[in-house]
Amino acid sequence: EAQVTQNPRYLITVTGKKLTVTCSQNMNHEYMSWYRQDPGLGLRQIYYSMNVEVTDKGDVPEGYKVSRKEKRNFPLILESPSPNQTSLYFCASSLYGGGVNSPLHFGNGTRLTVT
Amino acid sequence: AQKITQTQPGMFVQEKEAVTLDCTYDTSDPSYGLFWYKQPSSGEMIFLIYQGSYDQQNATEGRYSLNFQKARKSANLVISASQLGDSAMYFCASYNTGGFKTIFGAGTRLFVKA
Repeated sequence: EAQVTQNPRYLITVTGKKLTVTCSQNMNHEYMSWYRQDPGLGLRQIYYSMNVEVTDKGDVPEGYKVSRKEKRNFPLILESPSPNQTSLYFCASSLYGGGVNSPLHFGNGTRLTVT
Repeated sequence: AQKITQTQPGMFVQEKEAVTLDCTYDTSDPSYGLFWYKQPSSGEMIFLIYQGSYDQQNATEGRYSLNFQKARKSANLVISASQLGDSAMYFCASYNTGGFKTIFGAGTRLFVKA
């Protein structure tokens, strides 16, 4: 089954404790991206990757890191989480970059709480 | 800069009636794509429909249609014959071929009444 798999679904952590949210897709998509969803703000892009070893900042990259060592994986790293990073996170992939007639396929989301 | 505006935070519709969810976009790029996604209470994001800026006809996918008015920069989603399962958050999004970002609006929460 074609899918984007995110783990974990729920994560509660404390300020400053490094964490990684994993994301993997099995559709051979070139493009992967991370979003955070906050009430009233919709989804905001954190980072994206057009291909292996190619990543770039989205609109809210501060406090996050990513890497794309393999085509299928795109982990999100919070080196020193803070309470303002409490949010619902989505990983997404698409064939051509979420572009023309290339919709995003989303993971099921990771609800992160930082205390 | 790209911007998506959804002016209806919440809407109610009677089951079996049609409903229109508003979306306006702001972009200077001549080539762009517009998407609608549905987020049920379970949280997943589901792609519904797509409209390209050069498409001559409005997109349709089953009960979903996109009322695309290019001059007004609007891309409203029309759901016909609403069902209880349509109760969800709906997001309008745009993608410019000049960049690699998909920008989302704040969303509209739709409630379908029996």
